[in-house]
Amino acid sequence: AQKVTQAQTEISVVEKEDVTLDCVYETRDTTYYLFWYKQPPSGELVFLIRRNSFDEQNEISGRYSWNFQKSTSSFNFTITASQVVDSAVYFCALRPLNDYKLSFGAGTTVTVRA
Amino acid sequence: EAGVAQSPRYKIIEKRQSVAFWCNPISGHATLYWYQQILGQGPKLLIQFQNNGVVDDSQLPKDRFSAERLKGVDSTLKIQPAKLEDSAVYLCASTPGSTYNEQFFGPGTRLTVL
Repeated sequence: AQKVTQAQTEISVVEKEDVTLDCVYETRDTTYYLFWYKQPPSGELVFLIRRNSFDEQNEISGRYSWNFQKSTSSFNFTITASQVVDSAVYFCALRPLNDYKLSFGAGTTVTVRA
Repeated sequence: EAGVAQSPRYKIIEKRQSVAFWCNPISGHATLYWYQQILGQGPKLLIQFQNNGVVDDSQLPKDRFSAERLKGVDSTLKIQPAKLEDSAVYLCASTPGSTYNEQFFGPGTRLTVL
């Protein structure tokens, strides 16, 4: 069974500050995918990033970056220079390589104030 | 490309009433998922279809929930009779195939049971 834990319930920042979201996971699978999704007030979940368990290279994509550390089972996500439009609930999720089931964390609500 | 469509967006019913939700996936997507998202939690998979066949309905409360995807395209999720604890957002998602990495989500239907 998979378990994804997002310990931060809410984060509030002022515009242009950086925001780091924590994600810790548990799985018995040796290969898996990790995801970050964004859920704005409109409701739909928007895919942001995906990382394979066998590739620990951390990357930056625009204002988004992520830090994947397999040794500590963590997959943290950072928004640089936050904007008001970044206000949303952010979900971390895990899916084993050969399975279709996405296991989501409880989400972190990010509020960016102007 | 049109996204996943869902209707209605909002529904308020009294307990013991029946309700149905509709989902139209992205054109050509063979796999369709229904999730239940209770307030403050991440989405939980209820059922997965591959074309018009059920792949996994292990977490669907079958005494009151039912779902169908008769022609392998759009799908309907029904609750009969509804309970107070069914108040949640019901999300539909689709992918081209069951092992495709990214699931595309619709805006959801917010159900309130009074």
